[in-house]
Amino acid sequence: QVQLVQSGAEVKKPGASLKVSCQASGHTFSGYYIHWVRQAPGQGLEWMGWINSKSGGTNYAQNFQDRVTMTTDTSINTVYMEVSSLRSDDTALYYCATAVEGEGLDVWGQGTKVTVSS
Amino acid sequence: QSALTQPASVSGSPGQSITISCAGSSSDVGTYNLISWYQQHPGKVPKLMIYDVYKRPSGVSTRFSGSRSGNTASLTISGLQAEDEADYYCLSYTTSSNYLVFGGGTKLTVL
Repeated sequence: QVQLVQSGAEVKKPGASLKVSCQASGHTFSGYYIHWVRQAPGQGLEWMGWINSKSGGTNYAQNFQDRVTMTTDTSINTVYMEVSSLRSDDTALYYCATAVEGEGLDVWGQGTKVTVSS
Repeated sequence: QSALTQPASVSGSPGQSITISCAGSSSDVGTYNLISWYQQHPGKVPKLMIYDVYKRPSGVSTRFSGSRSGNTASLTISGLQAEDEADYYCLSYTTSSNYLVFGGGTKLTVL
């Protein structure tokens, strides 16, 4: 069974960049689409985009096209999500997730808490 | 502002049935079968409850069911239990924002 393990919490200053990792364990995830979802404090879920973990192909939500970059390193079963020019409203819990058994996001990482504050 | 509209809250008593709606358009819910539903308890990771409009992942209770009518998808929970109290989100493929979009979420309260 695939498990996704994310990097630890981050505190960043406005204008800085952030890079969060998501590593698969239990199974190679080459070829899976890894989605990134974020949730601001007290708010709902927001889809950010996906990356094909094998080809590196990406598809970003319109709201994030200018500031988000997703990359993959198949040698270590890890994908990365980088957000540039951080703002205070980027403060959120960031999740990676994938669809293993069907078309729904059935496997999720534990989440990475990101705080953007001066 | 989400392209998918969910009621902010719904409530029901134990044993009752409730339905949470997810209203979209012909650019998303009304046309494509990539509709899924997620349950999220406070401080927990979202859990997939329904995918492809009505399919249930293994391990999800048969009390949970999904459907669609026109541009609105629905999640029905029958035989409501205290443990069902959580936030619920729909997720759909959309042609208007590059692939997927979540609904705003619905807080379910079990009275």
